[in-house]
Amino acid sequence: AQTVTQSQPEMSVQEAETVTLSCTYDTSENNYYLFWYKQPPSRQMILVIRQEAYKQQNATENRFSVNFQKAAKSFSLKISDSQLGDTAMYFCAFMKQGGSNYKLTFGKGTLLTVNP
Amino acid sequence: DTAVSQTPKYLVTQMGNDKSIKCEQNLGHDTMYWYKQDSKKFLKIMFSYNNKELIINETVPNRFSPKSPDKAHLNLHINSLELGDSAVYFCASSSRTTQGANYNSPLHFGNGTRLTVT
Repeated sequence: AQTVTQSQPEMSVQEAETVTLSCTYDTSENNYYLFWYKQPPSRQMILVIRQEAYKQQNATENRFSVNFQKAAKSFSLKISDSQLGDTAMYFCAFMKQGGSNYKLTFGKGTLLTVNP
Repeated sequence: DTAVSQTPKYLVTQMGNDKSIKCEQNLGHDTMYWYKQDSKKFLKIMFSYNNKELIINETVPNRFSPKSPDKAHLNLHINSLELGDSAVYFCASSSRTTQGANYNSPLHFGNGTRLTVT
């Protein structure tokens, strides 16, 4: 079974600064996907970024980028130029690639607060 | 246009009652899910259906019964509600077949149903 660990329950950052959220995972699979989802106070679950394990290049989406270290099973999220609207719970998630049993396994989340 | 829609958004009911939550997706996805988010915000899968067939059932009490009348709908019926069932329930959908057998799309989530059992 896969497990996802987010070791930072809460973090805070000043507006316009950069923050990195940590995520590690444990799996015996070689092919998989990793995701970061954001859940603002509105309760929506919003996909932030996605990484395929077979790709060595780190995924980037505007101000959001990841540092994917496959050997270390680490998948951190960097948010640059933090904005007040980035305040949310951030969940790291794992999905096995292919097969018939494809579900997202989530970490426990990191509550990020962006301060003005 | 809402891609994954759940109703109701809020549900307050008494212990022992039976209630249902409905979910519909208009993304053409072939797989739908129910996730439960507890008071500590932890998200855990409950069920998954692929083309109306149950493929994941994660040690959920049998008071919870999902039903998928077609690929676009997945409803959740809960019998004899208990205080511990209070949570936010998320429906989600994804597609595996769009780009081949080894491709899994990200999950698209509904806005959640906050269930409060008193």
